Amino acid sequence: DSGVTQTPKHLITATGQRVTLRCSPRSGDLSVYWYQQSLDQGLQFLIQYYNGEERAKGNILERFSAQQFPDLHSELNLSSLELGDSALYFCASSTQSGGSYNEQFFGPGTRLTVL
Amino acid sequence: AQKVTQVQTEISVVEKEDVTLDCVYETRDTTYYLFWYKQPPSGELVFLIRRNSFDEQNEISGRYSWNFQKSTSSFNFTITASQVVDSAVYFCALSEARFGNEKLTFGTGTRLTIIP
Repeated sequence: DSGVTQTPKHLITATGQRVTLRCSPRSGDLSVYWYQQSLDQGLQFLIQYYNGEERAKGNILERFSAQQFPDLHSELNLSSLELGDSALYFCASSTQSGGSYNEQFFGPGTRLTVL
Repeated sequence: AQKVTQVQTEISVVEKEDVTLDCVYETRDTTYYLFWYKQPPSGELVFLIRRNSFDEQNEISGRYSWNFQKSTSSFNFTITASQVVDSAVYFCALSEARFGNEKLTFGTGTRLTIIP
């Protein structure tokens, strides 16, 4: 158990809908990352938050947005869903401080199926 | 731009054989970090090792060992005396670890099957 929790585990929805994925980082971790794993794109970085602020953006679609709340949990919002958004969405957290860099620990993922 | 290449898509070996998973990376930075993650059939991503670019010492952890060679930009992973529980997809990853660029860039993964 990595200490990172994600809910829900599975989500099945229809095209055009909007969903919210939730992530709670490990205790003490300030950085939260979101990744998408799909068959055609592999594992891709979407976005990073550090202590409530957006820190880096990757290949995240405009239909997708995220935020990190004061209690450090994060939510990834996916809207106007398309079939191609079906994927496993991972959240990861790490402790970044004082210039040091630490490994990212991943949650169990949310499997999104868009029908 | 950073890139990670895992040319071995799938490997099958018989239990107790040794197996090496290859990883080649590209980066323009002098400071970077390399990682291996394991994704078993259950789907989660399990951290195995982190290595920074200044430390070229090989590392051994039980049946696992890692060979980092800066000269060839490779970070290979060897499992000795493989076991069925080692069956998984293994990902090599790279991070440039600069402020605003701490993301992981993953390779496409190697699916390892251990045949009992």
